Amino acid sequence: DVKVTQSSRYLVKRTGEKVFLECVQDMDHENMFWYRQDPGLGLRLIYFSYDVKMKEKGDIPEGYSVSREKKERFSLILESASTNQTSMYLCASSFLVRGEQFFGPGTRLTVL
Amino acid sequence: KQEVTQIPAALSVPEGENLVLNCSFTDSAIYNLQWFRQDPGKGLTSLLLIQSSQREQTSGRLNASLDKSSGRSTLYIAASQPGDSATYLCAVNPREDAGNMLTFGGGTRLMVKP
Repeated sequence: DVKVTQSSRYLVKRTGEKVFLECVQDMDHENMFWYRQDPGLGLRLIYFSYDVKMKEKGDIPEGYSVSREKKERFSLILESASTNQTSMYLCASSFLVRGEQFFGPGTRLTVL
Repeated sequence: KQEVTQIPAALSVPEGENLVLNCSFTDSAIYNLQWFRQDPGKGLTSLLLIQSSQREQTSGRLNASLDKSSGRSTLYIAASQPGDSATYLCAVNPREDAGNMLTFGGGTRLMVKP
């Protein structure tokens, strides 16, 4: 079974802090994705990566950056957290770019 | 731009009932369609993936169909159980020449009452 893990289930940060969310997958998948999920807005793609050190912007990249130094690990970085970044963050991976996506358990981030 | 709609937004049924969840999409240029389940406060669990060339896929009590020309997919759940209570999401992957990445519907929140 594919396993996608995220570093924290719940996280509370203060405005202006730098925040790192980490995601690790154990199935040697080429592609990894970061989404955020908000009530009424659904899931929206922030960034994705199709290979080590490669990244593409999704629908809402503003205020975020990503890092993929190793194939199994994809990090989402909030350079200066703001209250409007309070959300559920979901990581996913897939073997093919348009293949079946497998999700992690999510990180609920609250920015005060 | 692809839009994915799921109606109804919420559904409550008694245990044992067979039910159908609907997903419609505006652009038929799709590569595949995926159904997910999400429990409250949790991540998404992949249920079924249907390629654009397929008409249906089955897994246990779940059957998903795809009618690409009419822009519709349905998820059929047989003999529903309280454990099926969750939000069900569909998501569409576009063809390689037709845009970028998965578009999600808003979900249908299902409650199965004992």
